[in-house]
Amino acid sequence: QVQLQESGPGLMKPSETLSLTCSVSGGSMSRYYWSWIRQPPGKGLEWIGYIYYTGTTNYNPSLKSRVTISVETSQNQFSLKLTSVSAADTAVYYCARLIAVAGRDDWFDPWGQGTLVTVSS
Amino acid sequence: DIQMTQSPSSLSVSVGDRVTITCRASQSIASYLNWYQQKPGKAPNLLIYAVSSLQTGVPSRFSGSGSGTDFTLTISSLQPEDFATYYCQQSYSTPYTFGQGTELEIK
Repeated sequence: QVQLQESGPGLMKPSETLSLTCSVSGGSMSRYYWSWIRQPPGKGLEWIGYIYYTGTTNYNPSLKSRVTISVETSQNQFSLKLTSVSAADTAVYYCARLIAVAGRDDWFDPWGQGTLVTVSS
Repeated sequence: DIQMTQSPSSLSVSVGDRVTITCRASQSIASYLNWYQQKPGKAPNLLIYAVSSLQTGVPSRFSGSGSGTDFTLTISSLQPEDFATYYCQQSYSTPYTFGQGTELEIK
């Protein structure tokens, strides 16, 4: 059974670059998409982007200029970089596997437990 | 972006109640709609995919229906473990978007 675990710093200062890693265990990364989703405290969910195991990416246009998602299948990991963070980027960041069956049938399962990133001076 | 609007935003319910949550898309999304359950301090958990298919292990009291722009999640008889926040999500086009959530509270 695939499990995901996020890791990275919990506290950052404005203008810094956020770097998070998601470690995948219990299965192969091949033939799947891998995604990042965030949730500001007390608010809803925002999709950040995904990466295919081959390296193909798709980002949310609202964050595209600041986001890079990369994958290292040999280490069963994928990563998120978000530049020039501000308080508005304070959120719980989740990694998740994106199941893409056929056509547009895509869903997120499973999810990591999430990691809170706070941006504060 | 496709906007997803859930109603109600919160609902006070009792164990045994039949609960219906609505999700409306700003444009037709055919049948590309999923539902997640999130408990406090936990990650969302997939409940239903492709409108009406139950994820493995999800109790049969959960069901989904709809197409086009209007969708519903129904819990036939609410159990204590069902008190949580529920989110819909469209996969018709990127950026994937979620509803704002519906929180089920104990009456």
